[in-house]
Amino acid sequence: DTEVTQTPKHLVMGMTNKKSLKCEQHMGHRAMYWYKQKAKKPPELMFVYSYEKLSINESVPSRFSPECPNSSLLNLHLHALQPEDSALYLCASSQEQEGDGNGYTFGSGTRLTVV
Amino acid sequence: GQNIDQPTEMTATEGAIVQINCTYQTSGFNGLFWYQQHAGEAPTFLSYNVLDGLEEKGRFSSFLSRSKGYSYLLLKELQMKDSASYLCAPVSPTPGGSYIPTFGRGTSLIVHP
Repeated sequence: DTEVTQTPKHLVMGMTNKKSLKCEQHMGHRAMYWYKQKAKKPPELMFVYSYEKLSINESVPSRFSPECPNSSLLNLHLHALQPEDSALYLCASSQEQEGDGNGYTFGSGTRLTVV
Repeated sequence: GQNIDQPTEMTATEGAIVQINCTYQTSGFNGLFWYQQHAGEAPTFLSYNVLDGLEEKGRFSSFLSRSKGYSYLLLKELQMKDSASYLCAPVSPTPGGSYIPTFGRGTSLIVHP
């Protein structure tokens, strides 16, 4: 298995809702990432987990809450989001946090719309 | 911080060769990635350069000059399916000391018949 699987693929939520994005990989990668990508913009790093511990939080608002239940799973819990949070949310993984010549493997993303 | 510059858009003809340039200014450097991203899809890894010189991988090659803060992606024998955004991503240290790639805004390549 050489994929990163993200669910759901599309999500529409209200500003008072609570929802979660899920990401799964079975490549034995020890680093996992959440990125946010707005239309026609590059992916922006949000969080990095290394060996199931949060190692980087890029000053993300607390309405986004990451969780790494085990080495294969990464969740992003969403609460009280704003319409400007609408974006494509990408999960990625790599062998180690520092990366190597194989780069990051990205999931296909969750397209989130906040109404 | 980082300053990454690549052209916004390029067009080329099927079968031709195109070179996408990227210049960067980083405080610390540990290699550079190129990714391809089709509209609405995830980025896919193309290449990684950590030393100066040219890395060739099939129709795609990537070049790095660390002293000049410069890289390019060379695409040969262009195909229609190569129409996509190409993201340059130099790797540099975060304030915490980890090395993480930062993505440039991407170059949208349009291949026409």
